[in-house]
Formats: sequence, C-alpha cells, structure tokens
Amino acid sequence: GQQVMQIPQYQHVQEGEDFTTYCNSSTTLSNIQWYKQRPGGHPVFLIQLVKSGEVKKQKRLTFQFGEAKKNSSLHITATQTTDVGTYFCAGIAGSARQLTFGSGTQLTVLP
Amino acid sequence: GAGVSQSPSNKVTEKGKDVELRCDPISGHTALYWYRQSLGQGLEFLIYFQGNSAPDKSGLPSDRFSAERTGGSVSTLTIQRTQQEDSAVYLCASSLVTYEQYFGPGTRLTVT
Repeated sequence: GQQVMQIPQYQHVQEGEDFTTYCNSSTTLSNIQWYKQRPGGHPVFLIQLVKSGEVKKQKRLTFQFGEAKKNSSLHITATQTTDVGTYFCAGIAGSARQLTFGSGTQLTVLP
Repeated sequence: GAGVSQSPSNKVTEKGKDVELRCDPISGHTALYWYRQSLGQGLEFLIYFQGNSAPDKSGLPSDRFSAERTGGSVSTLTIQRTQQEDSAVYLCASSLVTYEQYFGPGTRLTVT
C-alpha cells in the first residue's frame, strides 16, 4: 500500500532559524496537502499542491511539490514561537480514495 | 459558519464497555473521515465515507470498530468491548472531494 514518510520526526530550532520538513511517497501522488497541528489542537489545513514542480508561498512558508510528484517539502524562514507544532503532509496516490498522512514533524522553537 | 463538531470531547470508559463517538460534519461536505491519533503520534486512518458510495473501511483495526453515517451527514464511530490500547484521540474530518479536510476537535477516549 501507499506509504508517506516524513523527516525529521523532531526538530528543535532557535527562534529566527530556518526549518524544513521533507515528505516522500512510495508512489506518485495526484496531490499533496500540508497540515499544522498545534499542541493540544487538531490538524489545520495549510495548502494543497497539485502540479509537478509547483511552488507556493504563504508569508514565511514555502511549499514545494517535486517534479516526479513523489516528494514535497515545507520550508519556514526565520521561525517564530508561533510556528511551534507538528506539520503533516498528506497525499492521494493514483486511484486511492482518501489521503494518506505522513508521520509528521514536530517543531519546537526555542526563544 | 459552524465547523466540524464532535461529542463527547472526553470519554472515560471501563475496559470491555462499548462506546459511541459522534461527528457532525460541515454542512454540504460529502466526504467524512475518521482518524485515530495516539499521544505524540501521527494520524491513523480508520474509515472514509463519500456520498452514497460504500465506505472505505480498510483502516479499521479490528471488527470491534464500526461506523455509520446516517442521511449523508452525522456519523457515529462505535467501539465494542473496548481495550486499553483503544485509548487515543479520535478525530473526525469532513471535506469536499479531494479538497482540504476540516478537522473537528476530537474525542479523547481513555479506557481504564
């Protein structure tokens, strides 16, 4: 079955440093979505990427979808304490009917 | 407008008892999902409803788990003969097909 791997599992950064999480799928994805879950909260949708090689930006966040549509990344520039949380990627592969979530990257930002 | 709601927010039950968890999706969302999240872990897919299609039950961990969606809206996840390993947060999400999923606040289930 489809597998979506995310690395790293944990990341601690000093406030102001950059952060990147990577997502890799065992199969080609029709799309990839990113979610953020604050501590004690529920996942909240951030963005969806559909096209091969697509890059989207939201303020300090940059999302990329690989050319082969099997990997994706989320990069945060100059992290802030409000960025703390777990970031999940999720993708739909081929004829699958539902998203497969990655294992998540837990980001801690030290003030 | 109202988001996805779930009830109860917390449930403590004794091992061996049955529990029912409820999800009210966003009005008009045809897709509804149930996930399980253990402490500090990722999202484990349980079941997916899409319109009138047969649900995708491929993620249900055992036959003690079942779910139904009545009238294409409210869904109930039932766990029979609960075990301690069932303790987790159960999240419901709804969406339009292949679009972003909107999650409810979850039900924290503790089996003692």
